[in-house]
Amino acid sequence: AQTVTQSQPEMSVQEAETVTLSCTYDTSESDYYLFWYKQPPSRQMILVIRQEAYKQQNATENRFSVNFQKAAKSFSLKISDSQLGDAAMYFCAYRSAVTGANNLFFGTGTRLTVIP
Amino acid sequence: KAGVTQTPRYLIKTRGQQVTLSCSPISGHRSVSWYQQTPGQGLQFLFEYFSETQRNKGNFPGRFSGRQFSNSRSEMNVSTLELGDSALYLCASSLDSYAYEQYFGPGTRLTVT
Repeated sequence: AQTVTQSQPEMSVQEAETVTLSCTYDTSESDYYLFWYKQPPSRQMILVIRQEAYKQQNATENRFSVNFQKAAKSFSLKISDSQLGDAAMYFCAYRSAVTGANNLFFGTGTRLTVIP
Repeated sequence: KAGVTQTPRYLIKTRGQQVTLSCSPISGHRSVSWYQQTPGQGLQFLFEYFSETQRNKGNFPGRFSGRQFSNSRSEMNVSTLELGDSALYLCASSLDSYAYEQYFGPGTRLTVT
């Protein structure tokens, strides 16, 4: 079974600074998708960024970028120029591209605090 | 385009009762997945429905069931509620069962007393 590990329960960052959230995963599959979701206090999960395992290029979405290391099974999220609105729980998630099962495996989350 | 909607947003039930939660996916989306979120267990996959058929099921007891209607709206039912069923229940929709992007609703907060 796939497992996703987020080893940082809490992180904090000064406004306008950069922060990196860590995620590792364990899988025997060769093809899969990885995601970072944000869950603000409103509790609605918002997709931040995705990465296809077959792509070597790291995904980027505005101030959000990932460092995908397939061999190390590592998938970290970098938030640049942090804003107050970035404060939330961040979840790393895995989805198989092999089984066709449309279910996500989530990590335990990292609570990000942005300090003004 | 409207997002995923879930009703009700909050619910309080008593142990032993049953409950039905509803999820309306984004227009045109045909796959609906359900997740349970608790402080202790985190986010766990319950089941996925596509074209009115359950495609996948997580590791939950048979008290948890669901269905999907021809308009892609989905309901999940929990019978004989237990205190441990208190959770945020999230619904996510995707274009089809193979689309890898899932869009989440705001969730239903269920409290069992």
